[in-house]
Amino acid sequence: DAGVIQSPRHEVTEMGQEVTLRCKPISGHDYLFWYRQTMMRGLELLIYFNNNVPIDDSGMPEDRFSAKMPNASFSTLKIQPSEPRDSAVYFCASSSTGSGRHQPQHFGDGTRLSIL
Amino acid sequence: GENVEQHPSTLSVQEGDSAVIKCTYSDSASNYFPWYKQELGKGPQLIIDIRSNVGEKKDQRIAVTLNKTAKHFSLHITETQPEDSAVYFCAASGPRSGGSYIPTFGRGTSLIVHP
Repeated sequence: DAGVIQSPRHEVTEMGQEVTLRCKPISGHDYLFWYRQTMMRGLELLIYFNNNVPIDDSGMPEDRFSAKMPNASFSTLKIQPSEPRDSAVYFCASSSTGSGRHQPQHFGDGTRLSIL
Repeated sequence: GENVEQHPSTLSVQEGDSAVIKCTYSDSASNYFPWYKQELGKGPQLIIDIRSNVGEKKDQRIAVTLNKTAKHFSLHITETQPEDSAVYFCAASGPRSGGSYIPTFGRGTSLIVHP
């Protein structure tokens, strides 16, 4: 079975440029999460969606960050304009509701973003 | 909101020794506790989980224990092998505002197993 697929795996760009990260969740999963991982702050939840609807974006650091989920099989995280402090590994994860019980999150392999 | 503390941040053991990673949580409503292993260049992957209605769960060389009264849970790895070297994350999940079940992660433990 295909897991969560993220692209690109690596992105290097200059500050001020627009960056778009992409995610394809596992088919049938109704939750999608975007995380940012850094040495200083660990794994931070940025935003999550349920059935394609953004539920909580309180972790989004600034208005420069935006996320969309136009359908159940695709989501994007956009940074515009990008800054060096946005350099991090960004993970997408998905999970299912599963009869009202907790179900584990399945993570992609991340996008390593470097802003010069 | 939920707060998860994880210790130690780094753990170095000899091959064959046991390793123990401990976590505490603050929200008594949390009732699901997954553990993830993250290898270099990969995303975190679930290795074991425990729900609040049990106190212990084992899967071959790994086990988790849960003390709901003290709000503690731990990961135990026996007979460690070099391929166990990775970063391990604990998480606590429970109903959050809006009714969603969202995990809160610890800061991670870097486990190094020396051959």
